Amino acid sequence: EAAVTQSPRNKVTVTGGNVTLSCRQTNSHNYMYWYRQDTGHGLRLIHYSYGAGNLQIGDVPDGYKATRTTQEDFFLLLELASPSQTSLYFCASSDRGANSDYTFGSGTRLLVI
Amino acid sequence: GDSVTQKQGQVTLSEDDFLFINCTYSTTTYPTLLWYVQYPGQGPQLLLKVTTANNKGISRGFEATYDKGTTSFHLQKASVQESDSAVYFCALVDIVNTGNYKYVFGAGTRLKVIA
Repeated sequence: EAAVTQSPRNKVTVTGGNVTLSCRQTNSHNYMYWYRQDTGHGLRLIHYSYGAGNLQIGDVPDGYKATRTTQEDFFLLLELASPSQTSLYFCASSDRGANSDYTFGSGTRLLVI
Repeated sequence: GDSVTQKQGQVTLSEDDFLFINCTYSTTTYPTLLWYVQYPGQGPQLLLKVTTANNKGISRGFEATYDKGTTSFHLQKASVQESDSAVYFCALVDIVNTGNYKYVFGAGTRLKVIA
């Protein structure tokens, strides 16, 4: 069964701080995604990737960078964190093809104070 | 662009009540439609999926019919249990370009079932 592991589980940082959220998937999926979840907005796509070295801009990319270093690893970077980025972040992966299901991680809760 | 609308932010029911969660979508194609469920402290997981218009998806007592005419994909369950308490997301598959795609999620509906 596909597994998506996110770290850290919880993170607190100060405004202007530098944060990296990590995601690793172990099922050799090609596609990986970063979402943020906020009440009233559901899941919003930040960045995604079709494979190692590939990056695509999602729907709410401002203030975020992402890197896909290997097929397994996808990182989300907040270089100057702001309180508006306080949220629950999810990573997901999927195989190639429009009918392939997403597998989500358990989430990282980020608080920017 | 493609979009999914869930207007019910929260639904509160008693056990054995009938569940109906509204979902409508907007797209120029005939997408795959999905419902994801998120239990407390977990990531979303697939509940059911329908790839063909006018078909029904059924899983764990839940069902949803892909209605192309009304562009709806409402989620129903005849008799809810306390264990169904979760957030439910409607989603569609948006084809970005040939061979590449991404999901578009609705805002989610939080279901609370009281024993």
